[in-house]
Amino acid sequence: GAGVSQSPRYKVAKRGQDVALRCDPISGHVSLFWYQQALGQGPEFLTYFQNEAQLDKSGLPSDRFFAERPEGSVSTLKIQRTQQEDSAVYLCASSPRDPLWQFFGPGTRLTVL
Amino acid sequence: KQEVTQIPAALSVPEGENLVLNCSFTDSAIYNLQWFRQDPGKGLTSLLLIQSSQREQTSGRLNASLDKSSGRSTLYIAASQPGDSATYLCAPRGGSSGSARQLTFGSGTQLTVLP
Repeated sequence: GAGVSQSPRYKVAKRGQDVALRCDPISGHVSLFWYQQALGQGPEFLTYFQNEAQLDKSGLPSDRFFAERPEGSVSTLKIQRTQQEDSAVYLCASSPRDPLWQFFGPGTRLTVL
Repeated sequence: KQEVTQIPAALSVPEGENLVLNCSFTDSAIYNLQWFRQDPGKGLTSLLLIQSSQREQTSGRLNASLDKSSGRSTLYIAASQPGDSATYLCAPRGGSSGSARQLTFGSGTQLTVLP
């Protein structure tokens, strides 16, 4: 389909490992968002891109979290030295322009052992 | 900082009932508000979006209202069906402080419709 896709869908990491999560937004969508959803909670904002520019990273919980979108399409969320508290579902959303509906991907479930 | 509360946290109803899900938010300076449903292990599906200038939006059996000044939104589901069982999330966008683009989510209402 033509929706937002994310990979991998599931990731298990040992504490201290680095992980990279990928998001493919809907083609042509300018805006891209990352959210973190802990078990039983609603998603929480992490960061926002407009094209390749990261305009807001106020929600990133620590400097171990890094996101990029170098060509204004695919985005990668990287977590260095993973900790158990990083275990969550990481959701990506895209939007054709600002402000409009945000369309969400299926998420990546990260489990840190 | 925007805070969003959804009541009730969980709801179980027999098939065919009409029901109302409530959402309240602390910062009324929002751009719009979206309602989503989330099925177990899945991403979020957008249901309705209400612009800050609107009072309500309808889609099929769903009707969402917005009272921006009092910081409230409701999602009305008519003639509920077992397929409506999911978690429903409310998310206002923007506020007085912080990003105008980000959504702030409540913890959701987990709805179960019994056949």
